[in-house]
Amino acid sequence: GQSLEQPSEVTAVEGAIVQINCTYQTSGFYGLSWYQQHDGGAPTFLSYNALDGLEETGRFSSFLSRSDSYGYLLLQELQMKDSASYFCAVPDSSYKLIFGSGTRLLVRP
Amino acid sequence: SAVISQKPSRDICQRGTSLTIQCQVDSQVTMMFWYRQQPGQSLTLIATANQGSEATYESGFVIDKFPISRPNLTFSTLTVSNMSPEDSSIYLCSVEGAEGEAYEQYFGPGTRLTVT
Repeated sequence: GQSLEQPSEVTAVEGAIVQINCTYQTSGFYGLSWYQQHDGGAPTFLSYNALDGLEETGRFSSFLSRSDSYGYLLLQELQMKDSASYFCAVPDSSYKLIFGSGTRLLVRP
Repeated sequence: SAVISQKPSRDICQRGTSLTIQCQVDSQVTMMFWYRQQPGQSLTLIATANQGSEATYESGFVIDKFPISRPNLTFSTLTVSNMSPEDSSIYLCSVEGAEGEAYEQYFGPGTRLTVT
């Protein structure tokens, strides 16, 4: 089976850097995706890592270590609008996405 | 990216009744997915709907309770049948990415269902 673990909640200050971790156990692994969901909104795709290393997209970066079954999402220069839930997810061979439990990020002024 | 709409956006229903949720995409897609999300919780996949074939249901979800239609490449419906308060949740449809990527899905705005 598949399981993904994330911290339930993270709090950070505006302008700071925050890292949201994700550890996974999967029967087959293709890569790790990250999604953002604001309260009352739909999940939106942020990034995908198929290979080890860091992928940077503006203020957001995502990292993957396949040997450690671990990845993280790094948010820099935090803004109030970054307060949201963040989900890691893995696709399986049936084109399904398996989502992690989600991390609620609260950005304080 | 695909633009997805859902109807209704929210509804309050009585137990024992059924509700059909519609999902419309602005482009043709092969795979559509239906999820359930309890407030503050993660997304749980209900089923995968491919045009021209029966939907594939995940463990814990059955066709009699959640019948799905996929009449064409831009539209799908999910029916929540014989509802109970435990069915109160947000129901989301999604589609695969433009190049058929499984890892990048686009989601509709969701249908917030309350069963009384």
